[in-house]
Amino acid sequence: DAKTTQPPSMDCAEGRAANLPCNHSTISGNEYVYWYRQIHSQGPQYIIHGLKNNETNEMASLIITEDRKSSTLILPHATLRDTAVYYCIVRNQGGKLIFGQGTELSVKP
Amino acid sequence: KAGVTQTPRYLIKTRGQQVTLSCSPISGHRSVSWYQQTPGQGLQFLFEYFSETQRNKGNFPGRFSGRQFSNSRSEMNVSTLELGDSALYLCASSWLHREADTQYFGPGTRLTVL
Repeated sequence: DAKTTQPPSMDCAEGRAANLPCNHSTISGNEYVYWYRQIHSQGPQYIIHGLKNNETNEMASLIITEDRKSSTLILPHATLRDTAVYYCIVRNQGGKLIFGQGTELSVKP
Repeated sequence: KAGVTQTPRYLIKTRGQQVTLSCSPISGHRSVSWYQQTPGQGLQFLFEYFSETQRNKGNFPGRFSGRQFSNSRSEMNVSTLELGDSALYLCASSWLHREADTQYFGPGTRLTVL
């Protein structure tokens, strides 16, 4: 019962910005958007989260549309180590994260 | 600050046995959640503990259980193991259990059931 839709896969050239989209058209006012990534067989790594405003940290930027129905994760200068599955999650129930299938990002030299 | 630790990292069991997995949260974190990851079902929520109480539970059979201790460390137990229980079991901790509290994941325990 994931509440997000992501493309199954994307490619990005090394050094370029990677823009990963996510649709969450049924999001409600108190639900946060979280992004995690998982490199093969490792635990998911937290990237960034936001409620209404755009957010930036040392890893990435999160752009949330004004109606909050979609968001974009931006990795400004992708490297080969950014190759991973990226999960966009809408979180509304305390400790419960509902993971969808995510986007498999391949960064190519 | 040390991250979430899980022990053991790898485990092999046979059908019908039971198994206990352990999770030590980040220091100061009081909420611990468990997830199961399989190739077919992806990452699925098992349960969440906060202040030694189960706060949320996923859609798994009663063979899957857990508990949390006063120091916030958590264990999960799977009884009467089935082949389909082979998976990566992930633990995540957060300061509290609110939506704004980021969950940080451990490296996982890889369970193989033969």
